[in-house]
Amino acid sequence: AQSVTQPDIHITVSEGASLELRCNYSYGATPYLFWYVQSPGQGLQLLLKYFSGDTLVQGIKGFEAEFKRSQSSFNLRKPSVHWSDAAEYFCAVGKYSGGGADGLTFGKGTHLIIQP
Amino acid sequence: KAGVTQTPRYLIKTRGQQVTLSCSPISGHRSVSWYQQTPGQGLQFLFEYFSETQRNKGNFPGRFSGRQFSNSRSEMNVSTLELGDSALYLCASSSGEVNTEAFFGQGTRLTVV
Repeated sequence: AQSVTQPDIHITVSEGASLELRCNYSYGATPYLFWYVQSPGQGLQLLLKYFSGDTLVQGIKGFEAEFKRSQSSFNLRKPSVHWSDAAEYFCAVGKYSGGGADGLTFGKGTHLIIQP
Repeated sequence: KAGVTQTPRYLIKTRGQQVTLSCSPISGHRSVSWYQQTPGQGLQFLFEYFSETQRNKGNFPGRFSGRQFSNSRSEMNVSTLELGDSALYLCASSSGEVNTEAFFGQGTRLTVV
């Protein structure tokens, strides 16, 4: 069975500082990987996705993530965070990239706090 | 292009009642998935419908059911509500094809009292 681990429940970063959110997955084949962001009381917004090819993927809002098969990781990064980046971040793995037959398996999330 | 629409946004029900939640996917999308989000269990996959057929389901009791109509709109039903069913229920829409992502609605916040 597939699983996703986000080791950090909370992360506090100063505005303007760089950010890295960790994600490790367990899956027996080539995974489809996603990062979603959720603001309080809202649904999930897709930040970026990895299906195949270049292991460094660019997303919206200045985020990027790097797929490292040898480490089973898909860490999310941003060079300089803004106060508006404060939210809950979820890493997800899926067998079918459309969230299809086997659904998406999500990590527990990382709560990002931005200090002024 | 309109996004994924979930109605109602908020719902309060009494234990033992049943509830129906609705999801209208993005136009042209044929796959609708449902997820339950709680503070304790996080985001959990309920089931997915594609072209009116349930393709897969997660590990939830039979009180949770769903259906999809010919226009791809989907409904989710929970019978005999329990306090533990209080959650944010999220619907995700996708084309259902390979290499496409899922887009989520804003969710329905269900509170069981």
